[in-house]
Amino acid sequence: GENVEQHPSTLSVQEGDSAVIKCTYSDSASNYFPWYKQELGKGPQLIIDIRSNVGEKKDQRIAVTLNKTAKHFSLHITETQPEDSAVYFCAARSPGGGNKLTFGTGTQLKVEL
Amino acid sequence: KAGVTQTPRYLIKTRGQQVTLSCSPISGHRSVSWYQQTPGQGLQFLFEYFSETQRNKGNFPGRFSGRQFSNSRSEMNVSTLELGDSALYLCASSLVTVTDEQYFGPGTRLTVT
Repeated sequence: GENVEQHPSTLSVQEGDSAVIKCTYSDSASNYFPWYKQELGKGPQLIIDIRSNVGEKKDQRIAVTLNKTAKHFSLHITETQPEDSAVYFCAARSPGGGNKLTFGTGTQLKVEL
Repeated sequence: KAGVTQTPRYLIKTRGQQVTLSCSPISGHRSVSWYQQTPGQGLQFLFEYFSETQRNKGNFPGRFSGRQFSNSRSEMNVSTLELGDSALYLCASSLVTVTDEQYFGPGTRLTVT
């Protein structure tokens, strides 16, 4: 089945800097890659996603890139703010698996003042 | 539009007991998926229901079961609870097809003593 690896496990940046989180997946047939943000005591919140027919997608300060050949995708957050501090998860969905998402292990992002 | 709701939010049970958790999807959403989140194993897919039928199942023992009602609300049941079942149980809903985004509820925190 699908396997998703995520790095780094922790990331500390200064406010205003950029943050990059990287994920790799194993199933070349995977076609949907969402990113979730989870704050303490809450469920994961979908922040951006990308499908396999697109190489990059942006939404204000957040962008995601996908390299199908290398089977990796990345989350880019620019101009980080303290409220960006949270755990971020990448995920992948394979065809034939219904809505099953395989998640990475998460990245604890801390934005310091 | 109201988000995914889960009840109860917190639950304490004793080893050997059984438990039922409830999930109400976003209005109009017909697919409901369940995930288990633990510090050691991360986010793991349990099962997905669509139109009252289980569409996909993860690698969990038969003690974990679920169902979906005609109004798309879903329940999951864990029988003969074990200490290792302590986790945050998350429900996610999506509109219809496997190309739709999944939105998570706040989760039910289950503690088994």
